[in-house]
Amino acid sequence: AQTVTQSQPEMSVQEAETVTLSCTYDTSESDYYLFWYKQPPSRQMILVIRQEAYKQQNATENRFSVNFQKAAKSFSLKISDSQLGDAAMYFCAYRSTNAGGTSYGKLTFGQGTILTVHP
Amino acid sequence: DAGITQSPRHKVTETGTPVTLRCHQTENHRYMYWYRQDPGHGLRLIHYSYGVKDTDKGEVSDGYSVSRSKTEDFLLTLESATSSQTSVYFCAISERGNNEKLFFGSGTQLSVL
Repeated sequence: AQTVTQSQPEMSVQEAETVTLSCTYDTSESDYYLFWYKQPPSRQMILVIRQEAYKQQNATENRFSVNFQKAAKSFSLKISDSQLGDAAMYFCAYRSTNAGGTSYGKLTFGQGTILTVHP
Repeated sequence: DAGITQSPRHKVTETGTPVTLRCHQTENHRYMYWYRQDPGHGLRLIHYSYGVKDTDKGEVSDGYSVSRSKTEDFLLTLESATSSQTSVYFCAISERGNNEKLFFGSGTQLSVL
């Protein structure tokens, strides 16, 4: 079974600065997807960014980018120019590609990292 | 936003009572999922459905059952609630296709006293 580990329970950053959230995972599969989700106090789960394992290029979405190191099984999230609205719980998640259609929503999540943004 | 409604949004119940949580979608998506969120564990999959009357167990299915009699509704039942089932429960939906996304409901906060 796959496992996902977020070793930073809490992180903080000054507004406009850059912060990196760490995530490591364990799998024996060669093809899979990795995700970062944001959960603000409203409890809504918001997809931030997604990475396909067979793509070497790191995914980027505006101020959010990832550092995907497949051999090291590491998937960190970098938030640039941090904003007050970035304050939230962030979850790293893994998804297999081996289970067909049912795998689309079968994610393995990490424990989460609470990000605080200071003005 | 995807059309997913979870009800109730909050519920307090007593140990030993049955509880049913409802997830209703208006997207006609085939796949539906129930997750629970607990501190230190992130979200964990309880049960999922890949069609009407087609369901299967997830990682933490003990003490839970599900039913899906219509495409739009996916029910999660705690037959006899225990304090360890105090959690936030999320429903999610997805559909086959390129760049398929997983859409989450707003969650149900369940407290078992």
